[in-house]
Amino acid sequence: DTEVTQTPKHLVMGMTNKKSLKCEQHMGHRAMYWYKQKAKKPPELMFVYSYEKLSINESVPSRFSPECPNSSLLNLHLHALQPEDSALYLCASSLQSARPAYNEQFFGPGTRLTVL
Amino acid sequence: GNSVTQMEGPVTLSEEAFLTINCTYTATGYPSLFWYVQYPGEGLQLLLKATKADDKGSNKGFEATYRKETTSFHLEKGSVQVSDSAVYFCALRRSGSGGSNYKLTFGKGTLLTVNP
Repeated sequence: DTEVTQTPKHLVMGMTNKKSLKCEQHMGHRAMYWYKQKAKKPPELMFVYSYEKLSINESVPSRFSPECPNSSLLNLHLHALQPEDSALYLCASSLQSARPAYNEQFFGPGTRLTVL
Repeated sequence: GNSVTQMEGPVTLSEEAFLTINCTYTATGYPSLFWYVQYPGEGLQLLLKATKADDKGSNKGFEATYRKETTSFHLEKGSVQVSDSAVYFCALRRSGSGGSNYKLTFGKGTLLTVNP
């Protein structure tokens, strides 16, 4: 199994809703990532988990709350989002090693989020 | 800091034409270099990578050579097909074992359209 899966594929939510995005991989990767991608732009890193611990938070607003319950799962909990948070949210994973530069990231298909 | 500059698109070619997408980078040390492709409505897929100077990455007819003397990683394909229409991202990842080395630095992306 060499893929990263994400659910749901599409999500529409109001500014007062609480929702969650889910990401799963079964490649034994111990580094997992959340990215945000606006139209016609490259992905922007949000969070990195390494061995189920939060390693990097790129100054993301607290209305985005990541969670890594085990080595295969990564969640992104959403609460009180703004319309400008509408974007494609991508999950990725990679091997964990002493030389992370060598290890490519495998991306999921993304969740298309619309905030009304 | 690290940065990636790739040629602005869009690039429009006829089927079987030769493709070059230029990519240059700025980084300390010896980063790894990647080309990712994003087809409409999908996540990113790794197209090829190179981890040290003079390495040539290749996949599906695409090639790129890591040129440290010119800090470049240009993407080429001898004969493009309609199915190659997508957005192409050049990216780098710093060498070293620190947490920040998990980050991928992306170029802005180049939209390629191949007409029959």
